[in-house]
Amino acid sequence: AQTVTQSQPEMSVQEAETVTLSCTYDTSESNYYLFWYKQPPSRQMILVIRQEAYKQQNATENRFSVNFQKAAKSFSLKISDSQLGDTAMYFCAPGSSNYGGATNKLIFGTGTLLAVQP
Amino acid sequence: NAGVTQTPKFQVLKTGQSMTLQCAQDMNHNSMYWYRQDPGMGLRLIYYSASEGTTDKGEVPNGYNVSRLNKREFSLRLESAAPSQTSVYFCASSPRGGGLGRMNTEAFFGQGTRLTVV
Repeated sequence: AQTVTQSQPEMSVQEAETVTLSCTYDTSESNYYLFWYKQPPSRQMILVIRQEAYKQQNATENRFSVNFQKAAKSFSLKISDSQLGDTAMYFCAPGSSNYGGATNKLIFGTGTLLAVQP
Repeated sequence: NAGVTQTPKFQVLKTGQSMTLQCAQDMNHNSMYWYRQDPGMGLRLIYYSASEGTTDKGEVPNGYNVSRLNKREFSLRLESAAPSQTSVYFCASSPRGGGLGRMNTEAFFGQGTRLTVV
């Protein structure tokens, strides 16, 4: 079974600074996607960024980028120029292609609560 | 532009009561999921449906049943609610229904249902 570890329950960063959220996971699969989701106080789950495991190039999406280390099974999220609107819970979620059958689903970490301070 | 719609948004039940959480998606997705979110636990998969007509247990299925009524709708039923089922419930859907090589498992989420069992 897949496991996901987010070792930082809470983090704080000053506005305009950079912060990195860590995530490690365990999987026996060779091809998969990984995702970071954001959950602001509104409770809505919002996709932040995705990474394809077979691609060596790290994904970027505006101020958000990942550091994907496949061999180490590490998938960290870097937020540059942090904004007040980035305050949210962030979840790491590797996609699984083989869970009790040919299906795809996400396994979520326990989340990191990020507070951006003015 | 509805996406994934969950009803109700809030519900209070007495121990032993039953209820059904409704979920519908209008994106023609194959896969649908029910997660529960508890403080410090992240999102945990209750049940999923890889395609119309199929359902499978996730990590925490006890006390729940599901029905994939058609491709659009996936309901979650609590037959006899218990205080341990107090949680926020999320329905999600994703386009892919299985098979290696079809790894884009990005999930689209509903707004959640806050359920309290007293």
